[in-house]
Amino acid sequence: AQTVTQSQPEMSVQEAETVTLSCTYDTSESDYYLFWYKQPPSRQMILVIRQEAYKQQNATENRFSVNFQKAAKSFSLKISDSQLGDAAMYFCACPRDFNKFYFGSGTKLNVKP
Amino acid sequence: DVKVTQSSRYLVKRTGEKVFLECVQDMDHENMFWYRQDPGLGLRLIYFSYDVKMKEKGDIPEGYSVSREKKERFSLILESASTNQTSMYLCASSRTLPNTGELFFGEGSRLTVL
Repeated sequence: AQTVTQSQPEMSVQEAETVTLSCTYDTSESDYYLFWYKQPPSRQMILVIRQEAYKQQNATENRFSVNFQKAAKSFSLKISDSQLGDAAMYFCACPRDFNKFYFGSGTKLNVKP
Repeated sequence: DVKVTQSSRYLVKRTGEKVFLECVQDMDHENMFWYRQDPGLGLRLIYFSYDVKMKEKGDIPEGYSVSREKKERFSLILESASTNQTSMYLCASSRTLPNTGELFFGEGSRLTVL
């Protein structure tokens, strides 16, 4: 079965600290993208970062980076220097077939001032 | 600025009513999706369309139908709404791979069925 598992339903981080959100996945695709999406409270889901599976180098977008372990099918998101605006639901997504994606159940991130 | 627009942010309907949720994208994307979002369950795919008049069932199509008469518009139809369809509904669009396949989402439609 193709699934995405986010084992942390909720996490908290102090402002300016670093936090890592976990994601494991299973896919039969050989060449694919992985995504982390952010959904702020009552706001639109937006892309945080994407990783191309055939690239060994971990993707980085400003304060956001991933730790991609292809053999372990692990795709964690690290947020450095956390800000109050980072508080949101975070969803990991992996491909299934033909442009469709599985999403994890989400991790709610709280940022404490 | 690219956009996916969902017609209603909040709806309240009665059991048995027919419900239409509309979604329009302005990015000329081939693919459009309807997801249902429930706490603890993440996003579950209801229906997917990869071209005008083309559709595929997702994981939870029961009780839903869709229509895509124009490339930019994808409608979700609840033929006879039931209380267990109370949920947040998200529309998304994307280009066909081998582009990034990134999904662009609308703001969501929160449906309450009484």
